[in-house]
Amino acid sequence: QITLKESGPTLVKPTQTLTLTCTFSGFSLSTSGVGVGWIRQPPGKALEWLALIYWNDDKRYSPSLKSRLTITKDTSKNQVVLTMTNMDPVDTATYYCAHPSGGGPSYFDYWGQGTLVTVSS
Amino acid sequence: SYVLTQPPSVSVAPGKTARITCGGNNIGSKSVHWYQQKPGQAPVLVIYYDSDRPSGIPERFSGSNSGNTATLTISRVEAGDEADYYCQVWDSSSDPHVVFGGGTKLTVL
Repeated sequence: QITLKESGPTLVKPTQTLTLTCTFSGFSLSTSGVGVGWIRQPPGKALEWLALIYWNDDKRYSPSLKSRLTITKDTSKNQVVLTMTNMDPVDTATYYCAHPSGGGPSYFDYWGQGTLVTVSS
Repeated sequence: SYVLTQPPSVSVAPGKTARITCGGNNIGSKSVHWYQQKPGQAPVLVIYYDSDRPSGIPERFSGSNSGNTATLTISRVEAGDEADYYCQVWDSSSDPHVVFGGGTKLTVL
């Protein structure tokens, strides 16, 4: 049974760096083809994909946010960490981590519950 | 960057058929995936690889993809189908990345 759960601050100040952790179970990031992704959703708005990391440390980033994002993994802890620099109020959103099915381009078959991050001074 | 275009809203009476479109340049050459999201909940996959249904998703949900339009079809719509629906593809450009559509709010009248 695959589960994912996001954790991190609920409130960050403008210009600060956001660090979010996705803790998962039911799969291993040391297994070929496995990955974890991050998606966010501002209140009342659409889903926006942010980043993906694979078992072989291959990383993909949203072209529009690439300069601000870093995704890393800790295989021993079953965790994936996303950092986003220079936070702005427009970055207020629910941040989800999700499991992509299979290796390579595919869909997200399991999602965390999401964590709401508010950017405000 | 690749753009997916969805109508902001679709309305349908109970028992009728709802069709939600997802437009993109030659989208028929890509694999399209669809998610349902109800208020306050995480998205749920309802269609993958254009027309496959995950286990637990009713047969009333189906998908197609050709040319510049992919379509999610919900037959015999029920009140519980009221939700936001998002399409998703991979843009396999020189910098491959995931793309989501802008979402469609399905209202059951």
